[in-house]
Amino acid sequence: GAVVSQHPSWVICKSGTSVKIECRSLDFQATTMFWYRQFPKQSLMLMATSNEGSKATYEQGVEKDKFLINHASLTLSTLTVTSAHPEDSSFYICSDSGIVNEQYFGPGTRLTVT
Amino acid sequence: QKEVEQNSGPLSVPEGAIASLNCTYSDRGSQSFFWYRQYSGKSPELIMSIYSNGDKEDGRFTAQLNKASQYVSLLIRDSQPSDSATYLCAVLVGGANSKLTFGKGITLSVRP
Repeated sequence: GAVVSQHPSWVICKSGTSVKIECRSLDFQATTMFWYRQFPKQSLMLMATSNEGSKATYEQGVEKDKFLINHASLTLSTLTVTSAHPEDSSFYICSDSGIVNEQYFGPGTRLTVT
Repeated sequence: QKEVEQNSGPLSVPEGAIASLNCTYSDRGSQSFFWYRQYSGKSPELIMSIYSNGDKEDGRFTAQLNKASQYVSLLIRDSQPSDSATYLCAVLVGGANSKLTFGKGITLSVRP
């Protein structure tokens, strides 16, 4: 399957600051990538669909001005959590669109906001 | 009705047994179905995909799909302690703007 990397693997930041998470598709040119969030003991929730060269599509209830997504190349999508608050602490995972709709996930980024 | 539902679990089986994981979905138009395994603290790993009715086998794993009844299942034969993880059922829903929708997952524990 496809290989997806994420950086950083974990980050601790202070409330009110911004954090950028990178997602790279290492062996596949992904015109579409996906960003998910997972809270403890819960399933994955799709936050947004990242489209190369165009605006991201956000799911209902996800603030696009708070979670900024940039997909400037076929191999890189970034998620910036702006003005982070403790309730934004979560496990953020990206995936690429894959082949035949199979999505392969990056290793995830654990964000802790203090 | 939730789009993708899984048994609440947890499920515990002895080593060597067959573990049976079930999932139902609500969108009759869904065409693509996936099982992911997620170890604690890690991201999900795709272990099976299935697109047509019937069984699909890969090693100790067998996925079963019944579109008429709207269920998909995963059988794990000869369960090993290393199979202990949370298993997520995922269904591609939505037609042209399709999105992967996950069930809540079921935690499997394989007792040595």
